[in-house]
Amino acid sequence: AQTVTQSQPEMSVQEAETVTLSCTYDTSESNYYLFWYKQPPSRQMILVIRQEAYKQQNATENRFSVNFQKAAKSFSLKISDSQLGDTAMYFCAFMKHADKLIFGTGTRLQVFP
Amino acid sequence: DSGVTQTPKHLITATGQRVTLRCSPRSGDLSVYWYQQSLDQGLQFLIQYYNGEERAKGNILERFSAQQFPDLHSELNLSSLELGDSALYFCASSVGTSGYLDTQYFGPGTRLTVL
Repeated sequence: AQTVTQSQPEMSVQEAETVTLSCTYDTSESNYYLFWYKQPPSRQMILVIRQEAYKQQNATENRFSVNFQKAAKSFSLKISDSQLGDTAMYFCAFMKHADKLIFGTGTRLQVFP
Repeated sequence: DSGVTQTPKHLITATGQRVTLRCSPRSGDLSVYWYQQSLDQGLQFLIQYYNGEERAKGNILERFSAQQFPDLHSELNLSSLELGDSALYFCASSVGTSGYLDTQYFGPGTRLTVL
């Protein structure tokens, strides 16, 4: 069975600084997808970024980028130029083809002015 | 706005009662997923439907059931409610095929409170 581990329950960063959230996963699959979702105080689940396991190039979306290390089964999220609006719970998630999402326990990120 | 709608936003009911949560997927999405988010269990997959057919089941209680209708909207029925069923229930939808497009987009959730 697949598992997703987020070892940082809480993190904080100052506005405009860079922060990295960690995620590791365990799977015997070779083809899969990894995601970061953001859950702000509104509780809405918002897709931040996604990575296909067969792609070696790390995904980027504006200020958000990932460091995907397939052999190490690591999938960290880097947020550059942090903004107050980035304050949220961040969930790492694993998915096989057209299958359910398996979530980590989340990292609560607080951005300070 | 993800394009996925859920109603109602909030639901307060008593133990032993039955409720129905409704979800409309994004236009063009055939797959609907239901997830439960509670404080002690985190985000847990309940059930998946694809084009009207049940595709996968997770940790869904026997008191819970779901269906997907011909217009692709889905309903999650929760019966004989217990205090522990209080949670945020999310619906997510995706195209339902493998590949780049198979990303799940979430609705705003239904907050269920059982008193």
